[in-house]
Amino acid sequence: QQPVQSPQAVILREGEDAVINCSSSKALYSVHWYRQKHGEAPVFLMILLKGGEQKGHEKISASFNEKKQQSSLYLTASQLSYSGTYFCGTDSGGYQKVTFGTGTKLQVIP
Amino acid sequence: GAVVSQHPSWVICKSGTSVKIECRSLDFQATTMFWYRQFPKQSLMLMATSNEGSKATYEQGVEKDKFLINHASLTLSTLTVTSAHPEDSSFYICSASGGAKNTEAFFGQGTRLTVV
Repeated sequence: QQPVQSPQAVILREGEDAVINCSSSKALYSVHWYRQKHGEAPVFLMILLKGGEQKGHEKISASFNEKKQQSSLYLTASQLSYSGTYFCGTDSGGYQKVTFGTGTKLQVIP
Repeated sequence: GAVVSQHPSWVICKSGTSVKIECRSLDFQATTMFWYRQFPKQSLMLMATSNEGSKATYEQGVEKDKFLINHASLTLSTLTVTSAHPEDSSFYICSASGGAKNTEAFFGQGTRLTVV
């Protein structure tokens, strides 16, 4: 079952914040987050391995609620380079067999 | 990070012909490789999992006789789209696992297939 992301799309002005949610109907072993630009391979952002874990990557951070089978990605003070489609991914066994979420298209405008 | 190279980056072929896509791990041994397909404005969908030296495991709904996967060495997996049709036009992308647990997946650059 594919994880469901919300919102499906969002438009931000530079400097604004955004939250992208990822929800799974199955228990999550770990959560990956990727950003994909049009026509390119997805770029790895971070992996969260256990419930309650939070991680940060520059102005991008994420949290993982294992019990609720949810993860959220936080983008603060967005930059034009943040534009793209964000995917969460679940890895059921820990060996990189990733099931991608439905995706969230984010556009940052000046 | 580990490097995965996918070739070709794009290919155009005639309907009814076959196309082979290569996925190579350049600086590590990939015990497992995964093949994904992505249609425009959609997510990446896992097609199959291949382990070196054994038959690939296909996801439900993926025709194994149409999408032939070979993983003959620890650094190379190939996907052959046989008797391609326009509906097979898509972005195909591989990822490789070196066997370490709880790490990121290493993706190739992807191959844009257009069947005319």
